[in-house]
Amino acid sequence: AQSVSQHNHHVILSEAASLELGCNYSYGGTVNLFWYVQYPGQHLQLLLKYFSGDPLVKGIKGFEAEFIKSKFSFNLRKPSVQWSDTAEYFCAVNPSGGYQKVTFGTGTKLQVIP
Amino acid sequence: KAGVTQTPRYLIKTRGQQVTLSCSPISGHRSVSWYQQTPGQGLQFLFEYFSETQRNKGNFPGRFSGRQFSNSRSEMNVSTLELGDSALYLCASSLPLAGVDTQYFGPGTRLTVL
Repeated sequence: AQSVSQHNHHVILSEAASLELGCNYSYGGTVNLFWYVQYPGQHLQLLLKYFSGDPLVKGIKGFEAEFIKSKFSFNLRKPSVQWSDTAEYFCAVNPSGGYQKVTFGTGTKLQVIP
Repeated sequence: KAGVTQTPRYLIKTRGQQVTLSCSPISGHRSVSWYQQTPGQGLQFLFEYFSETQRNKGNFPGRFSGRQFSNSRSEMNVSTLELGDSALYLCASSLPLAGVDTQYFGPGTRLTVL
């Protein structure tokens, strides 16, 4: 079975600081990878996803993530955070070629201070 | 297009009772997944339905069950409620005709068991 680890549970940054949230997964085969975000009081929504191809994936709102297969990692980055990025971020993995059986990490709460 | 809707939004039950939660997917989506979200465990996969068939199941006891109707609407049922079942239950819908695709989440049903 697959598993996902998000190392940072709570991150506090000042506006304009750079962000990197770690995500490592455990699975022996090919995977599809996702980052979801949950803004306060809102639904979970997709930030970006990796299925195949270029391992550097760009998502909405200036976020990007890099898939490093050798490290089983899919870290999320943003060069300059804004107060509106305050949210909880979830990394998720689903084995490729099968059906929906997504495993989520436990989430990282990001607080951006103006 | 209307998003994923879940009813009811809030529920309060007592131990030993049972509860049924409902999810209406985005029009045209045939895959419906259910998740349990708690502060300590994050999002945990319950099960996934596609065309009225359960395709995947997570590691939850048999008290948790679900079904999907011909119009893709889905229900999940929890019998003999326990205090530990208090959680936010999320429903997510996606196409996919086959394989894995982006999931669109509903607002969730907040279940409190007293």
